[in-house]
Parts: sequence; structure tokens; C-alpha cells
Amino acid sequence: AQRVTQPEKLLSVFKGAPVELKCNYSYSGSPELFWYVQYSRQRLQLLLRHISRESIKGFTADLNKGETSFHLKKPFAQEEDSAMYYCALKEGGSEKLVFGKGTKLTVNP
Amino acid sequence: GAGVSQSPSNKVTEKGKDVELRCDPISGHTALYWYRQSLGQGLEFLIYFQGNSAPDKSGLPSDRFSAERTGGSVSTLTIQRTQQEDSAVYLCASSLQPGRAYEQYFGPGTRLTVT
Repeated sequence: AQRVTQPEKLLSVFKGAPVELKCNYSYSGSPELFWYVQYSRQRLQLLLRHISRESIKGFTADLNKGETSFHLKKPFAQEEDSAMYYCALKEGGSEKLVFGKGTKLTVNP
Repeated sequence: GAGVSQSPSNKVTEKGKDVELRCDPISGHTALYWYRQSLGQGLEFLIYFQGNSAPDKSGLPSDRFSAERTGGSVSTLTIQRTQQEDSAVYLCASSLQPGRAYEQYFGPGTRLTVT
């Protein structure tokens, strides 16, 4: 069965510092991976997907099949990045998303 | 246009009672999902509806949980004989079509508290 692991429940950094939110997955096939974000008092929303290889709000994530990781990175964190971040996996042929338990990021001034 | 809406926003119920949670997806979205968000447990998939196909119920934790989707639109999640461990935020999401599961639009959730 597929599994998504986010080892850090909480992550705290200072404004301007680099940030990396870790995500590891286990899946035997070819996965699709995503990052979702939930800002305070807002709805959960898609941040980025590995297929698009884009940078959203300064965040990037590279799929590393060898390490089965999909870490989310930003070189200079901003206070408005404070939120709950979820890594999610979609297996081929399924419409189901498997989410990690989430990492709460706090960016301090 | 309106996003996904859920009602009620909060529900407090006594252990053993049945509850119904409602989800109104975005108009035209054929796929609908229910998730449970428990403290420290992330999002747990419950059930997925796609058009007129049989739903994927693989995430329902017990037979006390059921869901239906009428007319391909509104969905109701029913929890019978609620237990304290059912306390969580129940999220509904919809997406436009199959193959775009990642583009799920989430509702605000229903916070269920079982006392």
C-alpha cells in the first residue's frame, strides 16, 4: 500500500531563511505527487504538482525517485508562508489522493 | 462562482446519535470526495464518487459510515451511532473530471464533536 510520510509535525524558521519541508513516499508504481497548503482560516488548496515542475510562491519541489522523496523548498521564507503543508500521492489509475499527516510551518519575523 | 459548500459548519452530538453532513460541490464537477481530518492524523480519504459509477468506499473506517450522492450533485455523509473517536473535521472536495484529482476544490469542512 502506498504511504506518504512527513516526518516533521512542526517546523519553525526565521523570515529570510531557507525552508525545506520533507516528504517521503512508498509506492511501487509511478507516482504523481503534490503539495497542498492550508493557510489559517482558509481552505485547503493545491500548491504545486511534480509534473508541472513549476515554482509557485517561490516554492519548488523535485521528485527524487531514488530517494522516494518530494521535498518542498523555498530559499527565503516569508511570514505569509506560515501554514499547514500536506504532501499527497496519487497512484496511477486511481482518483484517490493519499495525504501525509502534514507539517505546520511557522515563519517568525 | 460559488465554491464547495458544506453544512453544518459545526456539529456537536452525543455519543450514540446519528449525524448527517452535507456537501454541495461546484456546479459541473463530476467527482466528489470526502476526507476526515483528525488532530495529528492529516487527511484521511473516506469515499470518492465519480458520475454514475459505483463509489470507491475503500476509505470508510467502519460500517457506521455511509455516503450517498443524489443526482450527481449533493452528497451526504452519514455516521451512525457516533463514537468519540469520530470527532474530527470532515472535508468535502470536488474536481471537474477524472484525471484531475489533484485539482480538488475543498470545502470549509464540518467540525464534528462527539460528547
